[in-house]
Amino acid sequence: DADVTQTPRNRITKTGKRIMLECSQTKGHDRMYWYRQDPGLGLRLIYYSFDVKDINKGEISDGYSVSRQAQAKFSLSLESAIPNQTALYFCATRRTGSEDTQYFGPGTRLTVL
Amino acid sequence: EDQVTQSPEALRLQEGESSSLNCSYTVSGLRGLFWYRQDPGKGPEFLFTLYSAGEEKEKERLKATLTKKESFLHITAPKPEDSATYLCAVQSLHAGNNRKLIWGLGTSLAVNP
Repeated sequence: DADVTQTPRNRITKTGKRIMLECSQTKGHDRMYWYRQDPGLGLRLIYYSFDVKDINKGEISDGYSVSRQAQAKFSLSLESAIPNQTALYFCATRRTGSEDTQYFGPGTRLTVL
Repeated sequence: EDQVTQSPEALRLQEGESSSLNCSYTVSGLRGLFWYRQDPGKGPEFLFTLYSAGEEKEKERLKATLTKKESFLHITAPKPEDSATYLCAVQSLHAGNNRKLIWGLGTSLAVNP
């Protein structure tokens, strides 16, 4: 079984809709991250969380919100989706005190029409 | 400004034809340099972490090296299954508690049989 899972894997939605992307991990890591990946722009950090009570904005948090429901679950929401949020979204995890290595989920391909 | 540049953007090799990928970085004190492999439509998969100039790490046909300005990912006698995008990321000593990674755009490697 995969250590980091993301649901859904693919989603097509319309402008203005609210969308939630979910991430679960069985690695026992305390730190979790949300990234988006766009051609020509690479991976950009949206939000990160050190534990269930610690949520932090990344470099491109506008238009997004997150919820850390438990140590193992970290959700990303688009309150009102817009076409330029079409991208590949990745969740990643890391264990405090480790080599700073982040482990990525399989990704969610989101298309906003 | 901290920055990571990967070259070439794309590389096509014949099976067995060895080559190197480059990751040049500018960072105010290097904490760590990371190499990941990403297959199409999948999440980045961790390969190596390098921490100091002169350090080398190997895994199968891959060998990563580090200097004060750049890292190389050497691929010896590649096989078609080595085809992927290879991503480089660096972490600054001054990244703060979030340990933010600065990502390159990757090198897309295709190995022909």
